[in-house]
Amino acid sequence: GAVVSQHPSWVICKSGTSVKIECRSLDFQATTMFWYRQFPKQSLMLMATSNEGSKATYEQGVEKDKFLINHASLTLSTLTVTSAHPEDSSFYICSASEVTFPNEQFFGPGTRLTVL
Amino acid sequence: AQSVTQLGSHVSVSEGALVLLRCNYSSSVPPYLFWYVQYPNQGLQLLLKYTSAATLVKGINGFEAEFKKSETSFHLTKPSAHMSDAAEYFCAVSDQWSGNTGKLIFGQGTTLQVKP
Repeated sequence: GAVVSQHPSWVICKSGTSVKIECRSLDFQATTMFWYRQFPKQSLMLMATSNEGSKATYEQGVEKDKFLINHASLTLSTLTVTSAHPEDSSFYICSASEVTFPNEQFFGPGTRLTVL
Repeated sequence: AQSVTQLGSHVSVSEGALVLLRCNYSSSVPPYLFWYVQYPNQGLQLLLKYTSAATLVKGINGFEAEFKKSETSFHLTKPSAHMSDAAEYFCAVSDQWSGNTGKLIFGQGTTLQVKP
């Protein structure tokens, strides 16, 4: 149980375009979802936390207008990278937690974004 | 504020040897502690977690960790390394405060290399 999926697993786009990444909890209701960014050989950097039906809470230094997060249902959150640039190329990972134990996060497999 | 320090960004062991990955945490409130493993281009998989029950925690794939409050440590061990254990390992801390959103603070990660 507690499976989180991400789609797509990798995406290549042109500079200036927008890209949407989906994160789904497949067998549980995710009260909270988290979005991370990971650079090569580095740890995970939390970008934002979202609760279903509310606005996401962004970490300091993360541009909310560039990284749009929507958590429309208890099983789906989306991250849209708007007007992508090469410096946005990275590995994006989502995670989800459920109400019974909010401190444990279940991670998706990640999405590799390459902006040309 | 909480923080996690993983001593040694790179650990190399021979197959069959003891694995010891070090993690020290800082937290002003009782912590929850986690160890995750990440294989290349994949998300994070939970190895084990400490949630204030037994201080010696057993996880998957033969790993275990011991919570030592006096040393503020949560080191990960495995008696005998296997080639398939080569991966990136992350220690993370959350807190038990009832109002917590479940936010995790990650260490910098330790790359485990297993030599034949």
